[in-house]
Amino acid sequence: NAGVTQTPKFQVLKTGQSMTLQCAQDMNHEYMSWYRQDPGMGLRLIHYSVGAGITDQGEVPNGYNVSRSTTEDFPLRLLSAAPSQTSVYFCASSYSRRGADNEQFFGPGTRLTVL
Amino acid sequence: GQQVMQIPQYQHVQEGEDFTTYCNSSTTLSNIQWYKQRPGGHPVFLIQLVKSGEVKKQKRLTFQFGEAKKNSSLHITATQTTDVGTYFCAGGGSQGNLIFGKGTKLSVKP
Repeated sequence: NAGVTQTPKFQVLKTGQSMTLQCAQDMNHEYMSWYRQDPGMGLRLIHYSVGAGITDQGEVPNGYNVSRSTTEDFPLRLLSAAPSQTSVYFCASSYSRRGADNEQFFGPGTRLTVL
Repeated sequence: GQQVMQIPQYQHVQEGEDFTTYCNSSTTLSNIQWYKQRPGGHPVFLIQLVKSGEVKKQKRLTFQFGEAKKNSSLHITATQTTDVGTYFCAGGGSQGNLIFGKGTKLSVKP
C-alpha cells in the first residue's frame, strides 16, 4: 500500500494563479482532510470529507475548494492564490467517518510558496 | 470554537534529561491523540487515549489523559537524540474532527 500520496511536493505560484493540490489514499478510508501548517500555528483544518460526495468546511476554508468524487481522491483547489496561502499543506485520511475516532495517516506534504 | 492549548512551545534539553509537554482544553474531549513530526517530515500517529484517567506507556514515553478529559500530557524519560521533533496533541471535537494543539518543538543536545 502506498498510503496517502500528495503531489506536487513543492510549488511556487504567482499571486492570482490557481492550482490544484492532489491527494490520494489506497486504504479505503472514509474520512479525508486537508490541513495547513504555518510556523507556530500547528495544524489547522481547511476542509474535510466523510465519504464520497460529502465535503464540509473546517477552521480556515476561505480561498480553497474541495471535491470528493471517489473514495480515493480528495483534491484541494486554490482559486486565486495569495501570499497568505504560503504554507505547508498536508492531506490526511482515517478509517471511520468521524476523523477523530481513529489515527490519521498523513501524506508527505506540499510546500507552497505564493509570490 | 474549540481550542486545544499546548505548552511549552519549545523545549531544549540535554540528552538523558526528561521532557514533558502538556495539553489543555476548555471543553471535554471525546479522546486525545498524540503525533510526532520529525524536522521536514509529516505528523505520525503515536497513540490514542479515550478513557478518563487513562495512562499508556510506549517504552520511554508515558501518556496521560486527565480525569475530566480536558487535559493530557506526554512525558519522555531520558531523552535521546532520536526524540527530536515536534509533538502535537489533538483532541476529538464536537463535530468529529481533530483539533490540534500548536505543538511542542523538542531539541536534544548530545
